[in-house]
Amino acid sequence: DQQVKQNSPSLSVQEGRISILNCDYTNSMFDYFLWYKKYPAEGPTFLISISSIKDKNEDGRFTVFLNKSAKHLSLHIVPSQPGDSAVYFCATPRGDDKIIFGKGTRLHILP
Amino acid sequence: DTAVSQTPKYLVTQMGNDKSIKCEQNLGHDTMYWYKQDSKKFLKIMFSYNNKELIINETVPNRFSPKSPDKAHLNLHINSLELGDSAVYFCASSQVRANTEAFFGQGTRLTVV
Repeated sequence: DQQVKQNSPSLSVQEGRISILNCDYTNSMFDYFLWYKKYPAEGPTFLISISSIKDKNEDGRFTVFLNKSAKHLSLHIVPSQPGDSAVYFCATPRGDDKIIFGKGTRLHILP
Repeated sequence: DTAVSQTPKYLVTQMGNDKSIKCEQNLGHDTMYWYKQDSKKFLKIMFSYNNKELIINETVPNRFSPKSPDKAHLNLHINSLELGDSAVYFCASSQVRANTEAFFGQGTRLTVV
């Protein structure tokens, strides 16, 4: 029962181009979303968040877009760099003190 | 100066053994978590503690017992280890109960043989 879905297990993007990672959620009551980045043998690190009162949040090369009617959010990375190669998790806090995660998308930045 | 640290990083043990994983956070957060990342790469919540009180126990077998001696520590004890317990276990902490990011430890890769 996946409440947060990342349907693309992997994505390859040329260095310098835009990377777009997608995430869908099932519950319209979810009102805050996070993106985490994870390198091998390390814990996930927080990247960027968005509240449902916004439809866009930007932080340097990273922008998250939220489409509430479609229950969809996306993370844009532009320009993509080699160090962006990692697994990206979409997540949302549930009111009962837990953060639920998608399965992740592995991003490969190609030289 | 690691914010959330867990030890050991790797743990290989035989079936039936009892083991512990320790976690400490120096961020002053009130809430700590244990997550399990299984072979399918799902990150699933196991436990959540707020100010040393258990908030969530997410249908985890009772062989798993978290212990929080103070709000900076949340240890995970596992009794009678089974092959299916092999996974990466992540400790995390956050400041408030909702709508905030959590900070994760580096993970403990547990292999049960």
